[in-house]
Amino acid sequence: GQNIDQPTEMTATEGAIVQINCTYQTSGFNGLFWYQQHAGEAPTFLSYNVLDGLEEKGRFSSFLSRSKGYSYLLLKELQMKDSASYLCAVRDTGRRALTFGSGTRLQVQP
Amino acid sequence: DGGITQSPKYLFRKEGQNVTLSCEQNLNHDAMYWYRQDPGQGLRLIYYSQIVNDFQKGDIAEGYSVSREKKESFPLTVTSAQKNPTAFYLCASKRLAGVRDTQYFGPGTRLTVL
Repeated sequence: GQNIDQPTEMTATEGAIVQINCTYQTSGFNGLFWYQQHAGEAPTFLSYNVLDGLEEKGRFSSFLSRSKGYSYLLLKELQMKDSASYLCAVRDTGRRALTFGSGTRLQVQP
Repeated sequence: DGGITQSPKYLFRKEGQNVTLSCEQNLNHDAMYWYRQDPGQGLRLIYYSQIVNDFQKGDIAEGYSVSREKKESFPLTVTSAQKNPTAFYLCASKRLAGVRDTQYFGPGTRLTVL
């Protein structure tokens, strides 16, 4: 089976940087995804990591360490619209569907 | 426009009634998925299908049923056997070919059982 842990809530200030961590345990790791979900809406894809290292995409970056079962999502130059839940999801070789963590609710304050 | 549609956005049913949630995609994706989300929680997998006329149970399949008669459509029936059906239901789809390919989600259906 799989186990994915993320902090439940985080608060940060507009213009700042925030790092959202995700740890996972899986029998056959085959990729990690980050999604953003605004309240009452569907998740939207942010990033994908399958190899160790940092993937950068504009204000958002995602890091993966397979040996540590650890990933983080880094959000720079925070904007009010970044207030949302951020979901970490892992795919393993055993099945074709993603397993999601419970999500981290980020509140950006002025 | 290509995408995934779910209807209706809000659905109310009386306890003990079966209800079917629709999911249609015109992205020519092979795989389709149903997830359930409860307040403050992540997504839990109900059922998924990789090809027409075939589907697999996810982590919380009890009380639900699906069909995949067409590539574009993957309806979910919430039966009276589901003990606590009130939740936000999300349908997703993806191609099978690419490893990097991610799932794309529909707008969701919020089901309330009275």
